[in-house]
Amino acid sequence: NAGVTQTPKFQVLKTGQSMTLQCAQDMNHNSMYWYRQDPGMGLRLIYYSASEGTTDKGEVPNGYNVSRLNKREFSLRLESAAPSQTSVYFCATYRGAEAFFGQGTRLTVV
Amino acid sequence: GEDVEQSLFLSVREGDSSVINCTYTDSSSTYLYWYKQEPGAGLQLLTYIFSNMDMKQDQRLTVLLNKKDKHLSLRIADTQTGDSAIYFCAESIREDFNKFYFGSGTKLNVKP
Repeated sequence: NAGVTQTPKFQVLKTGQSMTLQCAQDMNHNSMYWYRQDPGMGLRLIYYSASEGTTDKGEVPNGYNVSRLNKREFSLRLESAAPSQTSVYFCATYRGAEAFFGQGTRLTVV
Repeated sequence: GEDVEQSLFLSVREGDSSVINCTYTDSSSTYLYWYKQEPGAGLQLLTYIFSNMDMKQDQRLTVLLNKKDKHLSLRIADTQTGDSAIYFCAESIREDFNKFYFGSGTKLNVKP
């Protein structure tokens, strides 16, 4: 039982490149989220999916797209990476009053 | 969005108590959380409290909620070096349960 698994753990991109961050959960939860964490700013919600087949914007959605592939998987795509997207990205899932987080993806855009 | 604010740093000596503070904006039927993040790791849920409670205790952890002042605190008794981490306060709202609002985190440094 892995909980929430994110891949990759680390990534370096050049400005303008694209990539997809993957997230999978084996907890059978409906809700999944993508956050970014920047120093001194806590976690900010990028996108979330309340259930399979639905996605909604969070606080900072610009420059990102998401896909809820099925109940288990929720991916985050950067179509044209920018240095401002250098951050640590966390996927999370939710049950009741609790959120469960993946280990994070550290992304650097140069 | 909601505003959740924390002080950025706290330094204590091993064996002392640590108190980490958080303020939040008021909403009905809110859950308030404390998460711990160790270096290079994800966030680990420590405890949470519903907004109609005043206090919750779990072993070395005590959460106090002052609804009037919209103030939440986390007290760690007998702080150990292994408690050194960043502690995040977070809020979720019944009307918008799918969104968590996080503070910027308090870095706790425990000196031996």
